[in-house]
Amino acid sequence: GQQVMQIPQYQHVQEGEDFTTYCNSSTTLSNIQWYKQRPGGHPVFLIQLVKSGEVKKQKRLTFQFGEAKKNSSLHITATQTTDVGTYFCAGSASGTYKYIFGTGTRLKVLA
Amino acid sequence: GAGVSQTPSNKVTEKGKYVELRCDPISGHTALYWYRQSLGQGPEFLIYFQGTGAADDSGLPNDRFFAVRPEGSVSTLKIQRTERGDSAVYLCASSLGLAGYNEQFFGPGTRLTVL
Repeated sequence: GQQVMQIPQYQHVQEGEDFTTYCNSSTTLSNIQWYKQRPGGHPVFLIQLVKSGEVKKQKRLTFQFGEAKKNSSLHITATQTTDVGTYFCAGSASGTYKYIFGTGTRLKVLA
Repeated sequence: GAGVSQTPSNKVTEKGKYVELRCDPISGHTALYWYRQSLGQGPEFLIYFQGTGAADDSGLPNDRFFAVRPEGSVSTLKIQRTERGDSAVYLCASSLGLAGYNEQFFGPGTRLTVL
């Protein structure tokens, strides 16, 4: 079945450093979503990517969808303590509406 | 406005018992998902409803798990003969219109503990 992996599993950065998490799917995706989950909270939607090679920016966050629509990345510039949490990608394969979540990257920002 | 609500927030039960978990989606959202999340893991897909019908139940682990959405709004996830391995946070999410191209709004989850 479809699998979605993320690396790294954990990342500790100093405040102000950049951070990147990578998401890889075993199958081609029709679209990919990114979510952030704070400790003790529930996933909160960040963005959706649909087109091959798509790049979207939200303030300090940059999201990319690979040309083959099998991988994606999230880059945060100049991290802040408010960026702490676990970042998940969730991919939906063509012909299906179910989303398979990645394993997540837990980000810790040291002040 | 009101978000997705889930009840109860916590449920402790004994092995072998039956439990029901309820999800109240955002009004007007036709798509509804159930996920299960274990500690340190990503949400695991269980079932997806479009309206009243289960469009995809391929994630239900076995026939002890069943979910309904009789009027296309509130959904109930039912677990029979609970096992300790069923312990997890059960998350519900809803989205507007046809799922697959809309953001999912998650509820706070129900933490199920099977003793």
